[in-house]
Amino acid sequence: KAGVTQTPRYLIKTRGQQVTLSCSPISGHRSVSWYQQTPGQGLQFLFEYFSETQRNKGNFPGRFSGRQFSNSRSEMNVSTLELGDSALYLCASSLGEGSDNQPQHFGDGTRLSIL
Amino acid sequence: QKEVEQNSGPLSVPEGAIASLNCTYSDRVSQSFFWYRQYSGKSPELIMSIYSNGDKEDGRFTAQLNKASQYVSLLIRDSQPSDSATYLCAVKAGGYQKVTFGTGTKLQVIP
Repeated sequence: KAGVTQTPRYLIKTRGQQVTLSCSPISGHRSVSWYQQTPGQGLQFLFEYFSETQRNKGNFPGRFSGRQFSNSRSEMNVSTLELGDSALYLCASSLGEGSDNQPQHFGDGTRLSIL
Repeated sequence: QKEVEQNSGPLSVPEGAIASLNCTYSDRVSQSFFWYRQYSGKSPELIMSIYSNGDKEDGRFTAQLNKASQYVSLLIRDSQPSDSATYLCAVKAGGYQKVTFGTGTKLQVIP
């Protein structure tokens, strides 16, 4: 069974640009969550999508947005990039059903560098 | 108050010893508890899940849960240098609640 696939693995952008990251969950998983990880900050929750709907949202500015498609694949977009957006962006998937207590499984992440 | 708290470490243990990693959480309705291992530059990898009070063993790993004390721990027996990593505690309430992660404890196993 294939794991969570994130593309691209590495990305270099300049301030003011926008970027789109992609995540394909494990087959059968309908919940996709996005996290930002920077040194010393731990995993910061961005948002979670389930059945094409945003189910939970973290405390990030509106420049960070996401969406989920009918096949459960998800994308996140960051507009007007700032130097502080340099981070490892992780996607995690889980079954996501109503009373779901199943763990999340992470992709390898996209390392975004802003110049 | 942080929702999920872990000592950042580093926790240093000699090879072959037992490493004890601790985590406390604030939400009393939390139902699911997870431990992840993250090597430097890599993504988190699930080690164990625990849902009921008591101990759960998987190989060299034992997770312990005490809901009354809002405390979950991970024991690593016969620690190996390859266990050197950051260990993340994650907690989830029921239903549609998001998973909340601690900031992680860095473990160093000294040969």
